[in-house]
Amino acid sequence: ILNVEQSPQSLHVQEGDSTNFTCSFPSSNFYALHWYRWETAKSPEALFVMTLNGDEKKKGRISATLNTKEGYSYLYIKGSQPEDSATYLCAHHQGAQKLVFGQGTRLTINP
Amino acid sequence: EAGVAQSPRYKIIEKRQSVAFWCNPISGHATLYWYQQILGQGPKLLIQFQNNGVVDDSQLPKDRFSAERLKGVDSTLKIQPAKLEDSAVYLCASSSPRGRSTDTQYFGPGTRLTVL
Repeated sequence: ILNVEQSPQSLHVQEGDSTNFTCSFPSSNFYALHWYRWETAKSPEALFVMTLNGDEKKKGRISATLNTKEGYSYLYIKGSQPEDSATYLCAHHQGAQKLVFGQGTRLTINP
Repeated sequence: EAGVAQSPRYKIIEKRQSVAFWCNPISGHATLYWYQQILGQGPKLLIQFQNNGVVDDSQLPKDRFSAERLKGVDSTLKIQPAKLEDSAVYLCASSSPRGRSTDTQYFGPGTRLTVL
């Protein structure tokens, strides 16, 4: 099992500000990277699946980029809103439908 | 489309007691996963089923944990006896059987277990 690291572990942002955080993963034998959002007391929700170097995905105010050569992905949130408060998880696909998750970034939006 | 169902949502037990969790995946999803998420860590795969067969249980502590998916649909995860370090959220997920790296895993809300 190859480690996946996320930073920072927690983040407090003022409403209306933009923010970003990082997922680092092994760059060899890359298959796919998944991003999930996990709100308290709810199910983790899939945000993006990224496969190609240079991929950029966008969903509303949230976007993600992928660099498979150096082994990192960034998640960006533009104009943070209170409903963006959640833990954001990245997961590296390591073959045979197996996902290895990072420890998550816990985002809190202060009104 | 109904999502992944899990029960109970919360459970508090004493150490050395037994506990069982239930999961019903999305209809038609052949692959089912159980994850353990300890506070401050990412979800860790415990066991993966394809229909009613085990694909990966390399991280399942088999001396105390067991899981079954007898009819290839719903699944039960059991801990017997529980230890303090088993306190965690237990997540169930399912995915469609296309077997690609882009397959999304759909998660249930989890069961939060506290062992006292």
